Amino acid sequence: SAVISQKPSRDICQRGTSLTIQCQVDSQVTMMFWYRQQPGQSLTLIATANQGSEATYESGFVIDKFPISRPNLTFSTLTVSNMSPEDSSIYLCSFSGDGKQDTQYFGPGTRLTVL
Amino acid sequence: AQTVTQSQPEMSVQEAETVTLSCTYDTSESDYYLFWYKQPPSRQMILVIRQEAYKQQNATENRFSVNFQKAAKSFSLKISDSQLGDAAMYFCAYRSRRGSNYKLTFGKGTLLTVNP
Repeated sequence: SAVISQKPSRDICQRGTSLTIQCQVDSQVTMMFWYRQQPGQSLTLIATANQGSEATYESGFVIDKFPISRPNLTFSTLTVSNMSPEDSSIYLCSFSGDGKQDTQYFGPGTRLTVL
Repeated sequence: AQTVTQSQPEMSVQEAETVTLSCTYDTSESDYYLFWYKQPPSRQMILVIRQEAYKQQNATENRFSVNFQKAAKSFSLKISDSQLGDAAMYFCAYRSRRGSNYKLTFGKGTLLTVNP
């Protein structure tokens, strides 16, 4: 099955700055997703990223705060903009389409701490 | 909206023993998928097992099996012959089969400790 990687694996940032997280899959996949996992919590879907179209955001998440790019079928980025300490979370990307459209496979996550 | 409930925040098991993690969900749909994922301290979410709601047969993957009770909306995970490497946070997740809704809805998780 496809291998998915994320960069950076962790970062510590100052409030008011922005961080871009990269997600790379080693084969072409149909759909990519971005999730947030706040400390001690479960995963919440931020948005679905389809190649060639605008990302679809879930309720409570907006493009100005979490802009997403999906330039091709193997890559996506999530930017966390104008960060505050409340943005401290693990951010995970996932994909589906590697032969099983119904199943999502996750990257290793990016642990973000905002001071 | 669909909801997923994991009523056991923490569970523990002795190595080589069997443990069952509970999950219930609420949906008005008849066709959907259910998943169990594990998240070890490395934080990567790893797929453990998947179940298609239209299949009556319970899914099995080596030492992992589920008890899927559709009418009761229950989806428990049984881990047999527990190993130290099974220690992790386990999440139950739901996904609709309707249209293009690929969203996974997760429960709050169960932290499994395996004692040597």
